[in-house]
Amino acid sequence: KAGVTQTPRYLIKTRGQQVTLSCSPISGHRSVSWYQQTPGQGLQFLFEYFSETQRNKGNFPGRFSGRQFSNSRSEMNVSTLELGDSALYLCASSLNPGGDNSPLHFGNGTRLTVT
Amino acid sequence: GDSVTQMEGPVTLSEEAFLTINCTYTATGYPSLFWYVQYPGEGLQLLLKATKADDKGSNKGFEATYRKETTSFHLEKGSVQVSDSAVYFCALSDRRALTFGSGTRLQVQP
Repeated sequence: KAGVTQTPRYLIKTRGQQVTLSCSPISGHRSVSWYQQTPGQGLQFLFEYFSETQRNKGNFPGRFSGRQFSNSRSEMNVSTLELGDSALYLCASSLNPGGDNSPLHFGNGTRLTVT
Repeated sequence: GDSVTQMEGPVTLSEEAFLTINCTYTATGYPSLFWYVQYPGEGLQLLLKATKADDKGSNKGFEATYRKETTSFHLEKGSVQVSDSAVYFCALSDRRALTFGSGTRLQVQP
C-alpha cells in the first residue's frame, strides 16, 4: 500500500509569491491534516480536511489555505510568502478525523525555502 | 491551551544503554498520548500510543505509560541500537489535532 505522497519535495520561492503544495493520502483515507515544522516553533497544526470540508484550523493567518478534492487529495496554498514561512510542511492522512483513535500517517514533507 | 514539554536534547548514548526521554503534558480534558519518531529526511512515524490513564503503549522495544497523576508519558527502551538514532516527539490529541513537544534528538554511538 503506497504511503502519503507529497509533491514537490523541495521548493524555493521569493517573498511575495504564492505557492501550492500537494498531498495524496493513503488509499481509503479520507482525512488529511497539514502541519508546519520549523526549528523555532516546532510542529504546528495548520488545518484538517475530511470529506472535502475543513474540519479544524490552527492559529495561522488567512494567507494559509487549503482544500480537499473528492478523491481525498489535498492542496495547501500560501499567498504573499514571507521569509518566516520557510519550513517543512508535513501532510498526514488517517481513516477518520481527529488523529485520536485513527493514527496519522505522515508524508516525507515539502521543504519550502523563501528568499 | 494544551501543551507538551519534552526534555532537551541531544541525548547521546552508547549502544545497548537504557533510554529514557521525559515528556509531561498540560491538557484540560483527557487526551490521548503518542510518541512519534522522525528519521533524517523523512516524515513522522507513529511509535506508540496510549488512550487512557495507566495504559501502556509499546512497540519495537519502546514503552511509555500514561500517568495521569503526574501528567507524564515518558519513553523508555531497555537497550538502544544505532538504528534508533532519530528525533522523538511526544504528542497529545484533543480529538481536533495533535499538539507536539519540541522533539528530542537521540544519538546512539556504536
